[in-house]
Amino acid sequence: ETGVTQSPTHLIKTRGQQVTLRCSSQSGHNTVSWYQQALGQGPQFIFQYYREEENGRGNFPPRFSGLQFPNYSSELNVNALLLGDSALYLCASSRTGQETQYFGPGTRLLVL
Amino acid sequence: GIQVEQSPPDLILQEGANSTLRCNFSDSVNNLQWFHQNPWGQLINLFYIPSGTKQNGRLSATTVATERYSLLYISSSQTTDSGVYFCAFDNYGQNFVFGPGTRLSVLP
Repeated sequence: ETGVTQSPTHLIKTRGQQVTLRCSSQSGHNTVSWYQQALGQGPQFIFQYYREEENGRGNFPPRFSGLQFPNYSSELNVNALLLGDSALYLCASSRTGQETQYFGPGTRLLVL
Repeated sequence: GIQVEQSPPDLILQEGANSTLRCNFSDSVNNLQWFHQNPWGQLINLFYIPSGTKQNGRLSATTVATERYSLLYISSSQTTDSGVYFCAFDNYGQNFVFGPGTRLSVLP
């Protein structure tokens, strides 16, 4: 148990729809990062949020957006879903200056 | 960007066997770490190992930063060790860059 929770655990959507994934960070952590993990690959960085602002972004289009709330929890929103968005979405939380990130159990998204 | 390679890509062991997993990186990296992803997808931190050697029970890791590689040793493997092992490095404090992983299957 890392103390990081994600919801929902599984989700099925159709192409063109929008989806919102949620993450609650570990107590005392002020930074949340989101990753996409396609089947058989390592996690790929989407973006990071710190103090409710985006603090770095990977190679993902603008239809991937996020929010961080005052309690440091976070949302990942994906618009205009594509079949290729099917993946495991992981969030990770950390504290400023901490050497590592702690991962939640992930949300499995299937786009049909 | 920095490239990360892991070998072998797949490994099948009988319970009780030992194994060595390798991670090579193309340039100097910060905060090298090893993670285990269990079959349900949960990523667990194993070692923060920018250099030197650390041990935790049946697992140990060694990083030789000057030669740009890290090794993860698993001794007396158990079926619960199955999953994917990733090495990753810290990209300027923003995110981890993960290698492609080694998929380990430990058979009873």
